[in-house]
Amino acid sequence: QKEVEQNSGPLSVPEGAIASLNCTYSDRGSQSFFWYRQYSGKSPELIMSIYSNGDKEDGRFTAQLNKASQYVSLLIRDSQPSDSATYLCAVTNNAGNMLTFGGGTRLMVKP
Amino acid sequence: DTGVSQDPRHKITKRGQNVTFRCDPISEHNRLYWYRQTLGQGPEFLTYFQNEAQLEKSRLLSDRFSAERPKGSFSTLEIQRTEQGDSAMYLCASSSTGLAVAKNIQYFGAGTRLSVL
Repeated sequence: QKEVEQNSGPLSVPEGAIASLNCTYSDRGSQSFFWYRQYSGKSPELIMSIYSNGDKEDGRFTAQLNKASQYVSLLIRDSQPSDSATYLCAVTNNAGNMLTFGGGTRLMVKP
Repeated sequence: DTGVSQDPRHKITKRGQNVTFRCDPISEHNRLYWYRQTLGQGPEFLTYFQNEAQLEKSRLLSDRFSAERPKGSFSTLEIQRTEQGDSAMYLCASSSTGLAVAKNIQYFGAGTRLSVL
């Protein structure tokens, strides 16, 4: 069983819709949670971090964390074609050192 | 440019050759990480440094791989006797323990894409 699981997609949404991306993790001791966006051939770019249960909003992005269910999600409101990318969920261990990534979800926003 | 810098961006080599990659972290960051990413997968942790000390290595890091950060600034990752299975994107990231350790926000460089023929 992989430590961080994501649906590989592709997730296809129309422009202007809400995209919902999900991630589960296996290590209950995980402390910090991140969403990175990665365009094809490029490196991961941090878009959200979340550390405590609940929601965290930043512009069109909302991250949601539920530690009891070991679940992290990312909502993208008013999706734009430029949001088309692979979204990587990552968590850190107790020591806060290495990031463990999921395999990524490919999002396609159709005009 | 104040971001993480990696060199070269692309490297093509023949099987059995040695290759070395360089990473320059964000200047005030004391932690530096190496990851490897293959097509369709998320990045996998290889190793990390705090200042000049290499504190953790993944079991993915075979004896053919070695990393150094001699003065606590830039780092090099060397792969000896390359194999076709080494073909991947090698990513470097840096972070600061000036923030709470649990925060551990890592910023990535553009990566070095290695192709072993």
